[in-house]
Amino acid sequence: EAGVAQSPRYKIIEKRQSVAFWCNPISGHATLYWYQQILGQGPKLLIQFQNNGVVDDSQLPKDRFSAERLKGVDSTLKIQPAKLEDSAVYLCASSVQGFGYTFGSGTRLTVV
Amino acid sequence: KNEVEQSPQNLTAQEGEFITINCSYSVGISALHWLQQHPGGGIVSLFMLSSGKKKHGRLIATINIQEKHSSLHITASHPRDSAVYICAVFTSGGGADGLTFGKGTHLIIQP
Repeated sequence: EAGVAQSPRYKIIEKRQSVAFWCNPISGHATLYWYQQILGQGPKLLIQFQNNGVVDDSQLPKDRFSAERLKGVDSTLKIQPAKLEDSAVYLCASSVQGFGYTFGSGTRLTVV
Repeated sequence: KNEVEQSPQNLTAQEGEFITINCSYSVGISALHWLQQHPGGGIVSLFMLSSGKKKHGRLIATINIQEKHSSLHITASHPRDSAVYICAVFTSGGGADGLTFGKGTHLIIQP
């Protein structure tokens, strides 16, 4: 079974630039999550999709972060403009009704 | 809100040693995950437990629902086991996704 695919693996950008991350969940997983993990901390949920609808985005900094899941499959997470404190690993995960969580390999973002 | 505490935060051991990582949580849960995170960020789900004990290769995970405690054991540890191990609990009182994460245990196995 293919895992959760994420790209790119690494990204370095300057502050105030924009960046986008892509995630392809496991086929058939209706629920997709984006997490932000700052060094030394556990992952923090940014946004959760159920199919193509947003379940919760209460911790998403909406002034600079946006996410979409068109057609209920792939998802993109965008940051515009980036700040230094956005440096983190961005993880995508998918599940079937809260079970069978599978995480992607993550995108390590460095903002300089 | 569930509080998840892991111990130790950092652990360095010699190859071959028996390793134990502990996880305690404050509110009753429906499931607990042990996750492994290698340098570079990728997370692999090792176990999902709701009771008892699970074993996979050299890894053993146990959970005591009454004591709200879980342990992850590694037998005959090897340098390739070096990673961050994260405990995450699944409850209706957790985040929107139901998961509350511990901060992780950074394990280094020296040859």
